[in-house]
This record gives sequence, C-alpha cells and structure tokens, in this order.
Amino acid sequence: DSGVTQTPKHLITATGQRVTLRCSPRSGDLSVYWYQQSLDQGLQFLIQYYNGEERAKGNILERFSAQQFPDLHSELNLSSLELGDSALYFCASSVARSAGGPNTGELFFGEGSRLTVL
Amino acid sequence: GENVEQHPSTLSVQEGDSAVIKCTYSDSASNYFPWYKQELGKRPQLIIDIRSNVGEKKDQRIAVTLNKTAKHFSLHITETQPEDSAVYFCAASLNGGFKTIFGAGTRLFVKA
Repeated sequence: DSGVTQTPKHLITATGQRVTLRCSPRSGDLSVYWYQQSLDQGLQFLIQYYNGEERAKGNILERFSAQQFPDLHSELNLSSLELGDSALYFCASSVARSAGGPNTGELFFGEGSRLTVL
Repeated sequence: GENVEQHPSTLSVQEGDSAVIKCTYSDSASNYFPWYKQELGKRPQLIIDIRSNVGEKKDQRIAVTLNKTAKHFSLHITETQPEDSAVYFCAASLNGGFKTIFGAGTRLFVKA
C-alpha cells in the first residue's frame, strides 16, 4: 500500500459526459501529480500541484482541469469525454519541494482510476 | 520541455541473462533519474534512482549508470528471474521530483 488513495477505481460513462477523479496523497506529501496511461502506453504527465498551487503542466487537454484543495487532496475533472479518453489515470504524491528542504523525489502512485468511455 | 526517450520498447531474455534498458533526456537541468517497475495491472513502483552527482548506483541485481555529458542513463538487471517480467519506466526530473517526465516504457519478458 503506497498510502495514496484514488477513487473511483473503475468508472464507465458515455461520450460527452463529465467525470471527477479524486486523489488523497500520502500523509505529509505536498505535491500531487496526475498521469494518464492509455492501453499499452506510457505515463503521460498531465499536471502537478504543490501545496494547493499549480506547479507544472504537461500535455493536459483544455477539456481537463484539476485542483488541489487546502486539505491537499486533488481532483481531476474530465469533461466532454471522448472515446480516446479511456485510460488509466494515476495520481502520485511526493514530498517534493520547489527549493530547499528534504526532497527525495520518489513518486508514490495510487492504484489508479480506470475510465472507460463508451 | 523535457523529453525522455527509452529503448528498447520490448526486451526478451532467458532466465539468468542480463537485461539493459537505455534512456536519453533532453533537459540538461534534470538532476534526478528514477526507474519504476510496473507489473501487470499494478501501479508503478520505484526500484532504483540516481542523482546527477553520482555516476553509478547498485542495489543487489540492479544497477543504474548516468552519463550527464551525453544525457544518457541506463538500467542493468543481472541474473534475471521470471518475476522481473514487467514494464520498466525511466524518468527524469528537476529538483528531485518536480515535473517528472517518463520514458515510453520497456516491456521485459524473462523466459524460464
């Protein structure tokens, strides 16, 4: 158990719909990352938050948005869903600091949320 | 932005042989290079990492080498076992985790 909790584990929805994926990081971790893994594909970096603020953005579509709340949990919102959005969405957390302080760099991944768009 | 290329995409070895996976990165400012193993249906997990001030690191049967000049790093697995079969991802990041970018992954098959 990594200590990172993602819900829901599985989600089936239709094209055009909107879903929200939730992530609770490990206790004490300030950084949350979202990755998309399509079938037999790699880990595509979507976005990173640190202590409530957006820190880095990857190849995240405009239809997708995310935020990190004061209690450090994060949500990834996916709207106007398309068939190609079907994937495993991973959340990861780390203690990464932007500068100074203890910084291991290791990402701890949740079990993922598997989204199927029909 | 950072780009990480990983080769080969698939690697098949006989049990007991060695396996080598190679990665290159584009951002010379990257200073942290982890390797993750993802078993089928599971989450990625860190197996070894190396920082830019070190050229080589070893942990039992696995080792990683880093050539900062060439922006190249490699994973070496010796005496492979069937349980080593998985997808391996290299990654590069700044400041130990900031914006960690992954390679495309290598699917390793170890034949008994």
